[in-house]
Amino acid sequence: AQSVTQPDIHITVSEGASLELRCNYSYGATPYLFWYVQSPGQGLQLLLKYFSGDTLVQGIKGFEAEFKRSQSSFNLRKPSVHWSDAAEYFCAVGPHTNAGKSTFGDGTTLTVKP
Amino acid sequence: GAGVSQSPRYKVAKRGQDVALRCDPISGHVSLFWYQQALGQGPEFLTYFQNEAQLDKSGLPSDRFFAERPEGSVSTLKIQRTQQEDSAVYLCASSLMRFQPQHFGDGTRLSIL
Repeated sequence: AQSVTQPDIHITVSEGASLELRCNYSYGATPYLFWYVQSPGQGLQLLLKYFSGDTLVQGIKGFEAEFKRSQSSFNLRKPSVHWSDAAEYFCAVGPHTNAGKSTFGDGTTLTVKP
Repeated sequence: GAGVSQSPRYKVAKRGQDVALRCDPISGHVSLFWYQQALGQGPEFLTYFQNEAQLDKSGLPSDRFFAERPEGSVSTLKIQRTQQEDSAVYLCASSLMRFQPQHFGDGTRLSIL
């Protein structure tokens, strides 16, 4: 069965500081991995995705993530955080090869201090 | 272009009532997904359509939950005899094809009193 763990429930960083959000996954084959951002009262917006190839992927809003197969990780990074980045971030794996469903982590809430 | 549209945005119902939630996917998107998101948690998969075919309904929590997509575009998620534990945000997502990234609607927040 596929699963996603986001170890940090809540992270606070100062504006302009760097950010890393952790994501660990369990999946039986080569995973499709995603990071989404969700602002209050809104749906999820895709930040970036990994399907295959280069393990460092670039996304929107200055985010990047690195796929590390040996560590089963797909951590999200940003070199300099902006106040508008405050939101909830979800890592997801999938869709499952046969079932077409994605499995999401429980999310990390990011607070940005001025 | 237009994104995924869900209606209503908010729904309040009394326990035991039936509700219907609508999803208008992005035009031309073959795949459509429904998720349930409880407060403070990530979305949980409910069901998946490819065109009008419901290929996976393994996430539907009980036989009170029913989803359809009769013409391969608009989808409706119906919950019969609602219970308090059904209170959640219901998210719909569509994608061009199965393994392409999903585009999410803003969700329907369902509250069962």
